[in-house]
Amino acid sequence: DIQMTQSPSSLSASVGDRVTITCRASQGISNQLAWLQQKPGKGPKSLIYAASSLQSGVPSTFSASGSGTDFTLTISSLQPEDFATYYCQQYNSYPLTFGGGTKVEIK
Amino acid sequence: QVQLVESGGGVVQPGRSLRLSCAASGFVFSSYGMHWVRQAPGKGVEWVAVISYNGKMKYYKDSVKGRFTISRDNFKNTLYLQMNSLRPEDTAVYYCAKDREIWFGPPGLGVDIDYWGLGTLVTVSS
Repeated sequence: DIQMTQSPSSLSASVGDRVTITCRASQGISNQLAWLQQKPGKGPKSLIYAASSLQSGVPSTFSASGSGTDFTLTISSLQPEDFATYYCQQYNSYPLTFGGGTKVEIK
Repeated sequence: QVQLVESGGGVVQPGRSLRLSCAASGFVFSSYGMHWVRQAPGKGVEWVAVISYNGKMKYYKDSVKGRFTISRDNFKNTLYLQMNSLRPEDTAVYYCAKDREIWFGPPGLGVDIDYWGLGTLVTVSS
């Protein structure tokens, strides 16, 4: 199985801050990586696919990059609605696997 | 707009069975691969199973293989997960999810998920 390792597991930030989350795959997955956002009590929401493409309707404050084993998600200016848990997910091989999550909290 | 509504969750004793359903609307259900993904209370997200657009290809997480069966009815626009021999570690919110693209290869490989349902809670406890 491909292991997905996210860091940090949590962070505290203020509105307007720039935030970066990293995700590392245990083997190369090309660009077959997605980023998800989840708020308490809700299902996940897809943000990014193919490592760097924004899903329709996702604000341009979100960006992502990477290929192979190392990936990043950046929020350029944190908004109140962005406080949530973020997961990376690979869809290169079965079983599909997710990172452990990064909880973004209000400082 | 795309809607995925899960149902069928509840409290069940270890060793018993449960069938989850996911009613889909807002897209051509018969054209897309579909997934079940779960999340144990307070834990991360875990993929469970995927089925191709036509139901002919199915893949499972090892820990549910032989116990869970994913299926679909393209006339009823509904996805199912039959769960047998349930264990306490199967306790989770179960989400159905849709592939973003029409894809004729192995479902869920090379194509990401774009929509998720709201989930249904399954609790396995005596």
